[in-house]
Order: sequence, then C-alpha cells, then structure tokens
Amino acid sequence: GAGVSQSPSNKVTEKGKDVELRCDPISGHTALYWYRQSLGQGLEFLIYFQGNSAPDKSGLPSDRFSAERTGGSVSTLTIQRTQQEDSAVYLCASTLGGQPLTRYFGPGTRLLVL
Amino acid sequence: AQSVTQLDSHVSVSEGTPVLLRCNYSSSYSPSLFWYVQHPNKGLQLLLKYTSAATLVKGINGFEAEFKKSETSFHLTKPSAHMSDAAEYFCVVSSYFISNSGGSNYKLTFGKGTLLTVNP
Repeated sequence: GAGVSQSPSNKVTEKGKDVELRCDPISGHTALYWYRQSLGQGLEFLIYFQGNSAPDKSGLPSDRFSAERTGGSVSTLTIQRTQQEDSAVYLCASTLGGQPLTRYFGPGTRLLVL
Repeated sequence: AQSVTQLDSHVSVSEGTPVLLRCNYSSSYSPSLFWYVQHPNKGLQLLLKYTSAATLVKGINGFEAEFKKSETSFHLTKPSAHMSDAAEYFCVVSSYFISNSGGSNYKLTFGKGTLLTVNP
C-alpha cells in the first residue's frame, strides 16, 4: 500500500471490555512501532518489533496491554479490561531497514473508553 | 537520558506572517532531531530532520529549523504562514540504544506538541 494503515479509525468501548487495534505497515518495512498519544501529552512509546527478534515491550504501561506481529507484517495491539485512562490515539509506525531514523506513521485509532 | 520541551502548547499567527515554534532538547549523546506535523485526522508526517550534517535544515512546505548546540535548541520557522499550515507540530529527539532483547534501535522521544492556528 501507499502508507501505513490502521483500523478501526475510531473505537468507542465500555470500561472493562477488551479491544483490538490493527496496523498494516508499509510493505517491506521490517520494523513496526506502537505509540500512544493522550490528550495534551506527547507521544508515548509502547512496543517495537524488528524482524524476527523478540519485541521490545519496555513501553507497555501494564500487563493489560499486549501486541503481536504475525508473519513480520500486520500487527495487533490488544488492550484487555479497558480503563478510562486508556482513552487516547494509538499510532502505529513502520520503518524501512537502513533508514532507522525515519518513521512512517499511520493515521491512528482514536479509542474512547466510557 | 533524553528529553524534549516544546515551549508553547499553542501558537496563533495571521496568514502571511512568520511562524516560530520553539523546541529545546537534552541528550547524553549527539542527537538526531526531527519535526513532525499532524493534521486533523491524519497521521504524523515528517517535516524535516537533523542528523549531524548542516545545522540549518530545510524541510517540506517551506519550513526550516536550525540546530543550535550551544542553546540546545531546534526551533522550527517559516517566513510566511499559510492556512494549510494549521496543525499540531511535534519536536522529536532520537538517540541510539540497545533494547532489552539485545537488538538495537533508535529511540524517539516526542515533545508534547504545539498547536498552530493560522488566522485569515
């Protein structure tokens, strides 16, 4: 595709429910990142996948958050037992090998937990 | 450790007047610095980046930024604002690190963003 795509674009859920957010990176990009952007805050790093290496999960805020990347392409971020403070925009980015400094970002998923 | 401070959460200018979005950083190593722009309902887009070459960096849409090591600043400027420049702008610092899994990565630290409004 032409860029990083994310789905859904918007998600409203009730407190306590689980949600899954999907990211399709640019074809051929080996690295994939998830970030969270809360209102009035900068972007917060969540998790990083690089090829077949074990992911860097150092940014995940709690064990309710997990992510997978299947086949080195599509990634799913799962939030279990959502809380109101999870409301944010979740951004995915991918990187072409050899250009590690330039992230290509998706449009984000706006999550609202009621 | 590294950090980014965007000094203004909101900047308002008139169309045709100059734009200045301020950013200060701290980094233990020689940093790479970036400005990203995010238009409403759009993804983040890279405006420009500094990676230890020329200190004055030119980006897309007429924006430029100057890396000043003595002032630890990387302010974003544009001579004449256009209505289409209205967006949120993020200053970003990057440094190289070894991840928990033993791999390597460039860690990005984002500022909190500056909302630019352009008045007709």
